[in-house]
Amino acid sequence: DGGITQSPKYLFRKEGQNVTLSCEQNLNHDAMYWYRQDPGQGLRLIYYSQIVNDFQKGDIAEGYSVSREKKESFPLTVTSAQKNPTAFYLCASSFVLGGYTFGSGTRLTVV
Amino acid sequence: KNEVEQSPQNLTAQEGEFITINCSYSVGISALHWLQQHPGGGIVSLFMLSSGKKKHGRLIATINIQEKHSSLHITASHPRDSAVYICAVTSNYGGATNKLIFGTGTLLAVQP
Repeated sequence: DGGITQSPKYLFRKEGQNVTLSCEQNLNHDAMYWYRQDPGQGLRLIYYSQIVNDFQKGDIAEGYSVSREKKESFPLTVTSAQKNPTAFYLCASSFVLGGYTFGSGTRLTVV
Repeated sequence: KNEVEQSPQNLTAQEGEFITINCSYSVGISALHWLQQHPGGGIVSLFMLSSGKKKHGRLIATINIQEKHSSLHITASHPRDSAVYICAVTSNYGGATNKLIFGTGTLLAVQP
């Protein structure tokens, strides 16, 4: 079955460490997105990519980095520069003109 | 002020009741989405619409482009409908193509 796979579901990170969240899709979608969700707030866009080897900053890109070396994969690295990384992270993909599919999310906690 | 506003923020209903969740937006859009998020966090896309009305089972979504307003209706509500319902719009706001702007969600609890 086609879909998006995010891993891991739960992740704990020590302060000062980088951590990478995985997002893989087999839907042949061109565009992929990373969103952050905090309690009481709407999902906010971190980074997005509409084509392989190209990506753009979203509204809250500081402290994050991404790569898009393959169409199927869009990993997100939360760097030590991200001041408040504890959040729920959601990956999504779509064809350029819409039709979104969302992953099941990764809950990151800094300990 | 958020570009996408939902009301109510929280809603408790009795099983069988007719439920309405509202969404207003202030930016130009190409489409509006209704999404469902269950306690585990994963999100399912319910509807994508740019005009008129769509129906899927007990769910109905309507949009009024002139008034920049959409509603999600649930008929004969059931406890399994309990979830967070999120309105999002696809907009070229800020220069990003096909960017989703999300509302903060409506937490629905349907009691048996």
